[in-house]
Amino acid sequence: RKEVEQDPGPFNVPEGATVAFNCTYSNSASQSFFWYRQDCRKEPKLLMSVYSSGNEDGRFTAQLNRASQYISLLIRDSKLSDSATYLCVLLGGGGSYIPTFGRGTSLIVHP
Amino acid sequence: EAQVTQNPRYLITVTGKKLTVTCSQNMNHEYMSWYRQDPGLGLRQIYYSMNVEVTDKGDVPEGYKVSRKEKRNFPLILESPSPNQTSLYFCASSFGSVATNEKLFFGSGTQLSVL
Repeated sequence: RKEVEQDPGPFNVPEGATVAFNCTYSNSASQSFFWYRQDCRKEPKLLMSVYSSGNEDGRFTAQLNRASQYISLLIRDSKLSDSATYLCVLLGGGGSYIPTFGRGTSLIVHP
Repeated sequence: EAQVTQNPRYLITVTGKKLTVTCSQNMNHEYMSWYRQDPGLGLRQIYYSMNVEVTDKGDVPEGYKVSRKEKRNFPLILESPSPNQTSLYFCASSFGSVATNEKLFFGSGTQLSVL
C-alpha cells in the first residue's frame, strides 16, 4: 500500500459546484497534514493546514479523520480559478520532518 | 521578500555534460530538499538536508549529488546527465520542525531537458 494515496481524477465540475477530495495515508504516526495547490508546471503552494478539529478558510474546508487515516478537502462554490492539482502532504511519520507527498488530484472547473 | 530562488528556469543540455541547478533561500531555514516531478509520478524526493554539512538520500538519488556548505544554498549537481533525468525539478525549504507545523516553501522550478 502506498504511503499516501489520492484519486488522480480529473474531477470535472461546473462552476458553482461543491467538490470533495480525500487522501488516505498508511502511517498512523503522521502528525501534521496539509493541502497544497499546484498549477500546471508551477511550484506547489500551501493552500491550508489540516487540524484535528477541522478548519475552514473561505470556500475551503479541511478535515482530518485519524481513526480511518484520511484527510479531506471540500471546495464550495467552485470557481474557474480553482482548476489545479491538489496535493496532500504529511509530516512527522516516525518523528522525522521528512514530508510525504500524495500524487495529487486534478480538478477542472468548467463554465 | 521571503523566497526560495532556483536557477535556471529552463535548461537544455546534452548527455554527459555536467550541470548544476542552484537553490538559495533567505529565510534561515534548516531543511532543504530537491524533488523531481514526472507525469503520473508526483513529486519524488532526490536528496534533502537537515542542516549545514548534513545531507541524506531521498527516494531517487541515483545520478545526482548535492552539497550544503552554507545554510542558504543547496545546489543540485548532475555529473553526467542522461535523458532519463529529463524532468521538472523543485527545490524546497522550511524550518524543519514537525512540532511547529512548518510549511514548505518551493522554488519556481527548473525544467531540464537532456538530449
